[in-house]
Amino acid sequence: GAVVSQHPSWVICKSGTSVKIECRSLDFQATTMFWYRQFPKQSLMLMATSNEGSKATYEQGVEKDKFLINHASLTLSTLTVTSAHPEDSSFYICSADSRWDSLMHEQFFGPGTRLTVL
Amino acid sequence: SQQGEEDPQALSIQEGENATMNCSYKTSINNLQWYRQNSGRGLVHLILIRSNEREKHSGRLRVTLDTSKKSSSLLITASRAADTASYFCATARSNDYKLSFGAGTTVTVRA
Repeated sequence: GAVVSQHPSWVICKSGTSVKIECRSLDFQATTMFWYRQFPKQSLMLMATSNEGSKATYEQGVEKDKFLINHASLTLSTLTVTSAHPEDSSFYICSADSRWDSLMHEQFFGPGTRLTVL
Repeated sequence: SQQGEEDPQALSIQEGENATMNCSYKTSINNLQWYRQNSGRGLVHLILIRSNEREKHSGRLRVTLDTSKKSSSLLITASRAADTASYFCATARSNDYKLSFGAGTTVTVRA
C-alpha cells in the first residue's frame, strides 16, 4: 500500500523559533497533500491543502503567515511553524491524496509529528 | 470544518463482544471512510464506502451507510484487546475531496 512518512516524529523547541516538518509520499506521487492538527483527545482539524506547484489553500482561522506550506515536488510537502508559541504544541499529521481512479480519492496518512514548544 | 459527529464518545466492552459506533454528517458526500488511531500515533485506514454503496465488509469490520439519514455505522465483531483505539469517521465532500473528521469514539476492549 501507499506509504507516507513524516520527519521528525517529534520535536521540542523554544518559544519564538521556527520548526519545519516534512511529509513525503514514498511510493506514489501526490499532487495534493493535506496538513492536519490534532490536540489531545480531540479529532483532526484540517489546516490547509498543499498543491504541488501552487500556493496552499488554508482553512478558515488558520494563519498562513504562521504556518508556511511548500509543496516543491510531487513527493514532498513541508510545513513550517514560524515563531512557535506554546499554544502551537500539538500533533501535526499530513496526508497525501492518491487518485486511484478518476472518481475516487483516498488519502494516506503519515505517522504524525509531535511538536512541543517550551 | 468538522462535519461529522460520532456516538458514543467512549465505549468499553469485554473481549469477544461486538462494538458498534455511529457517525452522522451534514452535507453531500463522495465517500465515507473509517480510521483507527492508537494513542499518540498516526491514522490507520480501515475501510472506505462510496456514496452509492450501502454496506461493506472487511474482515471483522462491517460498515453501513445510509445517505438518506446521512449516517454510517462501524461494527467490530469479536473484539480483541488490540482493537483498543480511537475510531474516526471522515467524509469526503462531493466537490473537493477534503476530509472532514468526526469527533471520534474511544473504544476500550477489556481482556
